[in-house]
Amino acid sequence: KAGVTQTPRYLIKTRGQQVTLSCSPISGHRSVSWYQQTPGQGLQFLFEYFSETQRNKGNFPGRFSGRQFSNSRSEMNVSTLELGDSALYLCASSLLVAGGQETQYFGPGTRLLVL
Amino acid sequence: QQQVKQSPQSLIVQKGGIPIINCAYENTAFDYFPWYQQFPGKGPALLIAIRPDVSEKKEGRFTISFNKSAKQFSLHIMDSQPGDSATYFCAASKFGGSEKLVFGKGTKLTVNP
Repeated sequence: KAGVTQTPRYLIKTRGQQVTLSCSPISGHRSVSWYQQTPGQGLQFLFEYFSETQRNKGNFPGRFSGRQFSNSRSEMNVSTLELGDSALYLCASSLLVAGGQETQYFGPGTRLLVL
Repeated sequence: QQQVKQSPQSLIVQKGGIPIINCAYENTAFDYFPWYQQFPGKGPALLIAIRPDVSEKKEGRFTISFNKSAKQFSLHIMDSQPGDSATYFCAASKFGGSEKLVFGKGTKLTVNP
């Protein structure tokens, strides 16, 4: 099976702009989570979508939003970009096995640089 | 509030050495503790995971030790190789649900030849 794919891989934006990142989960996976990774804060959970509904949300401002489509692909949007939004944005998809644990499979990430 | 504390931040060992990375958690509701390995330019990949009903789990050269009373767990890499050089993250969550993973801040491991 193909892994989690994220596009674009690299992005440069300026302050005040908005950006949309895309994630295609592993085929059959219905849960998609987004994380922000920075050297200072590490990996921080943004939000999770399951069957087109946001199921969990982290502690990020409302400028960060997401959505999931019927084919499980997901997008996240950051509006009014700030310098501190520069980070690697990781998408992870997972499949819940009955009686088991959701294992998250990460994509390679989108590196966002805000100037 | 950092719920999972990881140490050290960086670690350098010689080939064949046994690096040990430690994590401590606060939330007693956590009952699933995975370790992820991340190479530059790649996303994290699940390495090994443990639940509190066992004190140790081995998979190949990787071993997790778990101390429930101390709320600590650690990763040991036996006979480390230069190819093990990567950043390692511990994480915690509740087992079996949709709870998000809470990650430690990572340990950059360098294994010198």
